[in-house]
Amino acid sequence: EAGVAQSPRYKIIEKRQSVAFWCNPISGHATLYWYQQILGQGPKLLIQFQNNGVVDDSQLPKDRFSAERLKGVDSTLKIQPAKLEDSAVYLCASSLVGGLGGELFFGEGSRLTVL
Amino acid sequence: QQQVKQSPQSLIVQKGGISIINCAYENTAFDYFPWYQQFPGKGPALLIAIRPDVSEKKEGRFTISFNKSAKQFSLHIMDSQPGDSATYFCAAPDTGRRALTFGSGTRLQVQP
Repeated sequence: EAGVAQSPRYKIIEKRQSVAFWCNPISGHATLYWYQQILGQGPKLLIQFQNNGVVDDSQLPKDRFSAERLKGVDSTLKIQPAKLEDSAVYLCASSLVGGLGGELFFGEGSRLTVL
Repeated sequence: QQQVKQSPQSLIVQKGGISIINCAYENTAFDYFPWYQQFPGKGPALLIAIRPDVSEKKEGRFTISFNKSAKQFSLHIMDSQPGDSATYFCAAPDTGRRALTFGSGTRLQVQP
């Protein structure tokens, strides 16, 4: 079974530029998450989708971050304009069902460096 | 919003020793407490989880011990091996957000 696919793996941009990350979850997984992992910290939830609807985006900096999940499958996370503090690994995860008791399957992440 | 405190930040043990990592959480209405393991350059992967109708769950060399009254749970790795060297994250449910809140991580190094 294919895992969660993310691209690009690495991205270096100047501050105030924009960047987009793509995620393809495991086939059939209804719930998709974007987490931000700053070096030396645990993953922090940015946004959760159930199919193509947003379940929670309370920690998403909406003035610069946006995310969408088209047709309930792939998702993109965009940052515009980027700040230095956005340097982090952006992890996409999916789970078969929503709720709190299911296993999260993570991709390998997209590492962003903002100069 | 759920808060999770994990300790220690880093841990060095000798091969064959016992590794112990602790987590404390705030109130939750849903009892499900997983541990995730992350190797460099990879995403976290579920290692073991407990739904505390029991106070302990063991899978091979890995054991979760849970103390509901203290709102604490811990991961014990018996007979630690160099291949166990990784970063470990505990997580607790945030029922308001219907998602897991992760601890800050423990970097484990097992010396041969």
